[in-house]
Amino acid sequence: LAKTTQPISMDSYEGQEVNITCSHNNIATNDYITWYQQFPSQGPRFIIQGYKTKVTNEVASLFIPADRKSSTLSLPRVSLSDTAVYYCLVGPDTGRRALTFGSGTRLQVQP
Amino acid sequence: DGGITQSPKYLFRKEGQNVTLSCEQNLNHDAMYWYRQDPGQGLRLIYYSQIVNDFQKGDIAEGYSVSREKKESFPLTVTSAQKNPTAFYLCATAQTASGNTIYFGEGSWLTVV
Repeated sequence: LAKTTQPISMDSYEGQEVNITCSHNNIATNDYITWYQQFPSQGPRFIIQGYKTKVTNEVASLFIPADRKSSTLSLPRVSLSDTAVYYCLVGPDTGRRALTFGSGTRLQVQP
Repeated sequence: DGGITQSPKYLFRKEGQNVTLSCEQNLNHDAMYWYRQDPGQGLRLIYYSQIVNDFQKGDIAEGYSVSREKKESFPLTVTSAQKNPTAFYLCATAQTASGNTIYFGEGSWLTVV
């Protein structure tokens, strides 16, 4: 399973764009990249998933370069409610593999 | 998430006791997982199951046991062999061929008293 590396923490202010990068140098050909958000005492929630290039949904964008050795989660115009831990998960079809999370990035949004 | 029910939400255990955490899902997902999270830390995989009557150890299986007799249910027993069981436990499910999209329950807090 591809090992992931993320910054331990990040700080931002309301209204700013936040970019969180995840490194996954040994990503395999059939691996997907998925980001999750976790609030205290809750289970992580799916944010966005991609395989290559760029993916955008109503809450975030995911940028994946051609070599796929890293990915960047972009949160536009963050608010206080975006304060959470963000996890990058890299792996193939869930039916054939365990899913191991990294340590995550703790994002603190200030007013 | 709405289709995954963990119970109880809070549980207190005396040292030397076994306790069982329940996880039930109505999402018809094949795979189920148990994670442990210590305060301020990431998620660590305890056990996972891909099909009924089959399960595999994760990174920290010692002191835990599971069963998968039904597709909908994946209970976790924390045995007395687990020396430091106080933690937040999360159950999760996933469908095959979903590109590692995993859905989590609300979690259970276990405290040793």
